[in-house]
Amino acid sequence: GDSVTQMEGPVTLSEEAFLTINCTYTATGYPSLFWYVQYPGEGLQLLLKATKADDKGSNKGFEATYRKETTSFHLEKGSVQVSDSAVYFCALDGGSQGNLIFGKGTKLSVKP
Amino acid sequence: GAVVSQHPSWVICKSGTSVKIECRSLDFQATTMFWYRQFPKQSLMLMATSNEGSKATYEQGVEKDKFLINHASLTLSTLTVTSAHPEDSSFYICSASPPNRGAEQYFGPGTRLTVT
Repeated sequence: GDSVTQMEGPVTLSEEAFLTINCTYTATGYPSLFWYVQYPGEGLQLLLKATKADDKGSNKGFEATYRKETTSFHLEKGSVQVSDSAVYFCALDGGSQGNLIFGKGTKLSVKP
Repeated sequence: GAVVSQHPSWVICKSGTSVKIECRSLDFQATTMFWYRQFPKQSLMLMATSNEGSKATYEQGVEKDKFLINHASLTLSTLTVTSAHPEDSSFYICSASPPNRGAEQYFGPGTRLTVT
């Protein structure tokens, strides 16, 4: 079945460092891809999405490009801030029901 | 826009009792809502898909008689954990998708259930 694999965390960075969180997927066809973020004590929020190959989703300085050749959707940010500390989930569109299939999540901690 | 609320945000109950969790879409109608369970430091596990006016679709391994889902209106879905046991303690999260947004979902803040 369809699945999402994310890099294991936790990831600890200093403020202004470059961030990459790897995400690869296995799916039939070309599903929409998403990154969700969960800040401490809060629910999941949609960070960005891409609906077709070569699309780039971006929001709040984060970017991810839908790469069908490598079945990847890596999350990047050029300069992280302490406020970016959160758990990041990669997800794909699970099909006709509209459900999402999530990766295990990657915890990011940014130190001042 | 696209706000989803859950109530209660946390609940403690005794083993053997039942607990109801509400999920509401505040500013849109949702024909489909989803219920997830999140274990500590783990991902979200889809439990069931809640369809307005019809029976929920449960994922494999989820007991439908234990986790009762009712989607009585286009803005409200409820999850009732019946005869709760300590192993049911978890973080339960609902989500809903606004019309014409495909698989894009908006999540409630979650409900922390502790069964003693």
